[in-house]
Amino acid sequence: QKEVEQNSGPLSVPEGAIASLNCTYSDRGSQSFFWYRQYSGKSPELIMFIYSNGDKEDGRFTAQLNKASQYVSLLIRDSQPSDSATYLCAAGFQKLVFGTGTRLLVSP
Amino acid sequence: ETGVTQTPRHLVMGMTNKKSLKCEQHLGHNAMYWYKQSAKKPLELMFVYSLEERVENNSVPSRFSPECPNSSHLFLHLHTLQPEDSALYLCASSQDWIGQVNQPQHFGDGTRLSIL
Repeated sequence: QKEVEQNSGPLSVPEGAIASLNCTYSDRGSQSFFWYRQYSGKSPELIMFIYSNGDKEDGRFTAQLNKASQYVSLLIRDSQPSDSATYLCAAGFQKLVFGTGTRLLVSP
Repeated sequence: ETGVTQTPRHLVMGMTNKKSLKCEQHLGHNAMYWYKQSAKKPLELMFVYSLEERVENNSVPSRFSPECPNSSHLFLHLHTLQPEDSALYLCASSQDWIGQVNQPQHFGDGTRLSIL
């Protein structure tokens, strides 16, 4: 069964620090990788997507992909209390498989 | 309106009721999805429609019946549901379904469904 694994957390970081969120996936055929942010009671919001090995940066967010290790990560620089949410990792080919999410807490 | 809108936002129904969830996307996308999100569980893909044709049915019980009359609208008809069907039902859309890579999916705010 195809799976995406994430540490449920919570991951606690102080304001201004770098938050590092990690994800592993089981399907070696996965070609697409996504990070979504979900606030409590809200729907998932797309943060980043990455298709190729390496890093992809967008503002304070950097997605990192290592297909050989089946590993995806999301770095959030200069973390803000408003970044406190659950971050969902998704991977797949046509059908996306989602992880259960990592809860991030950024303290002022 | 922009994005993906879902109605109703909240729904309480008995096990013998029949109701429908509605999703509308204003993004000009060709693919639409239904997901189920239960507490402590990953998002579960239920159905995928591409250009109004169902392309994925992820072993969903027949008490859930999807309908896609056009590329902008998606419905989920519910009947004889069970208590374990209580969850957040999310609709999403993406530009296309077929391709070497998945395109980003944009989610609606969901319908919180409670079965009495």
